[in-house]
Amino acid sequence: DGGITQSPKYLFRKEGQNVTLSCEQNLNHDAMYWYRQDPGQGLRLIYYSQIVNDFQKGDIAEGYSVSREKKESFPLTVTSAQKNPTAFYLCASSIEVRNSNQPQHFGDGTRLSIL
Amino acid sequence: EDQVTQSPEALRLQEGESSSLNCSYTVSGLRGLFWYRQDPGKGPEFLFTLYSAGEEKEKERLKATLTKKESFLHITAPKPEDSATYLCAVPMDSNYQLIWGAGTKLIIKP
Repeated sequence: DGGITQSPKYLFRKEGQNVTLSCEQNLNHDAMYWYRQDPGQGLRLIYYSQIVNDFQKGDIAEGYSVSREKKESFPLTVTSAQKNPTAFYLCASSIEVRNSNQPQHFGDGTRLSIL
Repeated sequence: EDQVTQSPEALRLQEGESSSLNCSYTVSGLRGLFWYRQDPGKGPEFLFTLYSAGEEKEKERLKATLTKKESFLHITAPKPEDSATYLCAVPMDSNYQLIWGAGTKLIIKP
């Protein structure tokens, strides 16, 4: 079955620690996205990538970093500079960024908490 | 400013009691409106895309409609398994990125 796999499902971060969230897709989609979901708020875009070796900041990129070395993979690193990292992180993909006819498809998320 | 607002924040219904959820938006040139369902601890699941005023789409007990300024998700004779948070999103005018509403949490009591 085609889809998006996020791991781990739960992650705990210690003070001053960087952590990396994994996102893999086998949908052959060019575009990938990282969102943050907090209670009572809409999804907020952290980073997105339109193609391998290219990515752009979203609305809340500070304290996060990404890479896109392979079409299938778009890992997100939450750095120690992100002072409020506790949230539900969602990875998504779509055929391409500029095709608004095509929906984004989501993984099942990673819940990050502070120890 | 581009904005998406969903109402109500939460809705409790008895099984079989029909109702509607609202998604209003302020983008000037609509390039589509997306509805998603999200179960607790899961990612959003795509339901519908609507493109133009007057358009309607149906899936089982759900029907989505679109006007120039808002969309409705009508739920007919809901069952407990329809309980979820329903999200809507529209592409921004400037860069095609999606603006998301905060969602409506729907609870269907047996």
